[in-house]
Amino acid sequence: AQKVTQAQTEISVVEKEDVTLDCVYETRDTTYYLFWYKQPPSGELVFLIRRNSFDEQNEISGRYSWNFQKSTSSFNFTITASQVVDSAVYFCALSEDRGSTLGRLYFGRGTQLTVWP
Amino acid sequence: EAGVTQFPSHSVIEKGQTVTLRCDPISGHDNLYWYRRVMGKEIKFLLHFVKESKQDESGMPNNRFLAERTGGTYSTLKVQPAELEDSGVYFCASSQDLRSGRARGNEQFFGPGTRLTVL
Repeated sequence: AQKVTQAQTEISVVEKEDVTLDCVYETRDTTYYLFWYKQPPSGELVFLIRRNSFDEQNEISGRYSWNFQKSTSSFNFTITASQVVDSAVYFCALSEDRGSTLGRLYFGRGTQLTVWP
Repeated sequence: EAGVTQFPSHSVIEKGQTVTLRCDPISGHDNLYWYRRVMGKEIKFLLHFVKESKQDESGMPNNRFLAERTGGTYSTLKVQPAELEDSGVYFCASSQDLRSGRARGNEQFFGPGTRLTVL
């Protein structure tokens, strides 16, 4: 069965600190997709990144970076030089490969990140 | 391009009443999903439409929940009769068919959610 674990419920940092959000997943599928979503106080879920199981290259996008390691079933997310606007709930998610349609998402419980000025 | 919209943003009802939530996906998106987050827990899948057909409804908690997508455009999720444990935030998401060749990142685009409170 698919499962996503975000062990950190809440994290607080001061502006400009680096912070890493952990995500560990379980799946029996050989082909799958991993995602990170951000939920700001306004409530909507904002897509950040998608990674497929065959692509273990780490990715950097501005202050955001992601570390995918199949050997440890982890897909961690790092924010460098955090800012107050980064305060939000961050969700890690997993989906199965269902051919031409993207399958259901399995979410972790989310990590509430608070960045203090 | 307009995003996924949901109505209402907030609903407060009493146990035993009926509530209908509406989701308008992004125009042209064949896939429509419903998810729910109960307080403090993970966001859980409810069901998936491809156009007007139910592709996967294995996440629907019980027969008090009825989802429809007539004409393959907007979708409604009706809860009848509502129970206390139905309280939570109901999210709708849509995505393109990967075969269309226009899928961008294959991600599901989420709406702002409907916060349902059952008293």
